[in-house]
Amino acid sequence: DTGVSQDPRHKITKRGQNVTFRCDPISEHNRLYWYRQTLGQGPEFLTYFQNEAQLEKSRLLSDRFSAERPKGSFSTLEIQRTEQGDSAMYLCASRSGTDNVLTFGAGSRLTVL
Amino acid sequence: ELKVEQNPLFLSMQEGKNYTIYCNYSTTSDRLYWYRQDPGKSLESLFVLLSNGAVKQEGRLMASLDTKARLSTLHITAAVHDLSATYFCAGRYTSGYALNFGKGTSLLVTP
Repeated sequence: DTGVSQDPRHKITKRGQNVTFRCDPISEHNRLYWYRQTLGQGPEFLTYFQNEAQLEKSRLLSDRFSAERPKGSFSTLEIQRTEQGDSAMYLCASRSGTDNVLTFGAGSRLTVL
Repeated sequence: ELKVEQNPLFLSMQEGKNYTIYCNYSTTSDRLYWYRQDPGKSLESLFVLLSNGAVKQEGRLMASLDTKARLSTLHITAAVHDLSATYFCAGRYTSGYALNFGKGTSLLVTP
C-alpha cells in the first residue's frame, strides 16, 4: 500500500488551457474527496465520490471544473479554460467505509500564468 | 453548510509551555478531525473524535470534543520544536459528506 497517489505533482499552464489531475486512492478505499488549498488557507472541499457515484459537489465549484471516477478506483479532476485564480494545490483524499480517517495525497500544484 | 473557526490563527510559544487551540463549528457535526500540515507537505491525520466528551491523546497532544458547545480543543503539553506546524480542525455536517476545514493555526515553538 503506497498511500494516495497524485499526478502530476506540479503543473504550469497558460491561462485558457485545460488541465487534468489524476488521483489513485488507497486500493480498498471506496470514498474519495477532492480539495483545493491556497497559501495560508485551509483545504476547501470540491467534490466527493462513493465508489463511482459523485454524491456531493461544492456549490462554489465552477462549471469549468469536472471530476470523474469511472470505475470506482482512480479519479480525475479536469479544469477547463484555466484562470489565474485556479492556481492552488489540489488535494485528493480517500477513506474506507469502515474507517473514519481520511488519508490525503501529496497534492498536485497548479500554476496558471 | 458547516463552518469551522479556529483560534488563534497564529501562535508562538516557548518550549516547555502549555497551550490550547480552539475549534468552534456552526452546526451539528457527527465527527471532528484534527490534522497537522508541515510546510510544503500534505495533511497528516492526528485525531478523529466521534462523540460528545471524546478525548484522545498522542504524545504531547490531546484533543477533546464538546458537541453541546460545538467546540473541540487541541491541548499542547510541554511544547517542543518538532510540534511547529499548522494544525487544522475539520468537521462534517451530520447530513452531508464534505469535511469542512478551518483556516488553520500556525504554531511556532521557540527555544
